[in-house]
Amino acid sequence: DAGITQSPRYKITETGRQVTLMCHQTWSHSYMFWYRQDLGHGLRLIYYSAAADITDKGEVPDGYVVSRSKTENFPLTLESATRSQTSVYFCASKGGAYNEQFFGPGTRLTVL
Amino acid sequence: LAKTTQPISMDSYEGQEVNITCSHNNIATNDYITWYQQFPSQGPRFIIQGYKTKVTNEVASLFIPADRKSSTLSLPRVSLSDTAVYYCLVGHGNKLVFGAGTILRVKS
Repeated sequence: DAGITQSPRYKITETGRQVTLMCHQTWSHSYMFWYRQDLGHGLRLIYYSAAADITDKGEVPDGYVVSRSKTENFPLTLESATRSQTSVYFCASKGGAYNEQFFGPGTRLTVL
Repeated sequence: LAKTTQPISMDSYEGQEVNITCSHNNIATNDYITWYQQFPSQGPRFIIQGYKTKVTNEVASLFIPADRKSSTLSLPRVSLSDTAVYYCLVGHGNKLVFGAGTILRVKS
């Protein structure tokens, strides 16, 4: 399927467990992003990547790790999940006529 | 990073024009202003982008005054399907700041 996909769409985990959220895009966009969305905060940037093997921190990177070995994939890992990381996570890639961001459908993560 | 402020919510009726304003007092010289629309359980979707003055596309207009400290998204003749959350995004490259979003409710 063309576009940007995320998996899983829903995830429930326990405090202290490692969780990896997957993101895949088919456009070969160079830039990719991870956001979290919480009530009252809108979308906050966690990490971004300018190209394969190039990543950098966003506004709220603590507790998260990213990697990007291939252009089309940008996984986000919570090394030791905490309840404060309960959120909806969106992945995006940037391209198009206005260099706008295209967002995936989101992953709803609950940490118990 | 630019800080953005939007109204929390707005109500309108079908057929009316809706204007949503975003304040971004410390916008940087090379920042662009982009608006996104988000429906429940979906990711945000691009609406329009501008740098200064006025931009219009098939779904919206974006007005940006000369000082660029605010921007107004204008939706002409809204319908029930325009009920959504609207976000302004200010920045460039990786320096991106989303507003908290404005919930627009369109009533019949």
